[in-house]
Amino acid sequence: GENVEQHPSTLSVQEGDSAVIKCTYSDSASNYFPWYKQELGKGPQLIIDIRSNVGEKKDQRIAVTLNKTAKHFSLHITETQPEDSAVYFCAASIETNAGKSTFGDGTTLTVKP
Amino acid sequence: SAVISQKPSRDICQRGTSLTIQCQVDSQVTMMFWYRQQPGQSLTLIATANQGSEATYESGFVIDKFPISRPNLTFSTLTVSNMSPEDSSIYLCSVDGQDINEQYFGPGTRLTVT
Repeated sequence: GENVEQHPSTLSVQEGDSAVIKCTYSDSASNYFPWYKQELGKGPQLIIDIRSNVGEKKDQRIAVTLNKTAKHFSLHITETQPEDSAVYFCAASIETNAGKSTFGDGTTLTVKP
Repeated sequence: SAVISQKPSRDICQRGTSLTIQCQVDSQVTMMFWYRQQPGQSLTLIATANQGSEATYESGFVIDKFPISRPNLTFSTLTVSNMSPEDSSIYLCSVDGQDINEQYFGPGTRLTVT
């Protein structure tokens, strides 16, 4: 089955700095890669996703890159703000297997004001 | 996006008892999913619940321990049976968005078994 590894497990940055979280996956059949943000006491919220036919996607301060050959994808947050502090999860799935995502172990991001 | 509510939001239960968690969605959805998130850990899929058919369980999860109901397209329940402290987790309900790969999660039910 699919295996997703996520690094780092914790990340602390100063407000205004950039944050990068990296994930690798094992199953070359995976073609959908979402990122979720989970705040304390809440369920994960989808913040951005990328499909295997795209190398990069950007949404304001958030961007995701995908390297299919190397089987890794990354989340980039620029101009971080204290409200970006949360746990971030990457995931991988096969497009026809909706909902059967394999999640990384999560990264706890702390943005210091 | 879908708005998902779960009840209860949290509970403390005695060992050996059972708890039923409810998941309500504000729109009709084909597939609903139940996940477990153990303290400080990632999400693990328990089962997929489709209306009109039996739930499909992932490896390591069985129907006797986690019976699921899906009576209609907006509602599902997950029961955690004969609980032990190892069942202490957050249980999350999830549904597909309009885009088949997008998933939306409920707020979770935080279960503590003593």
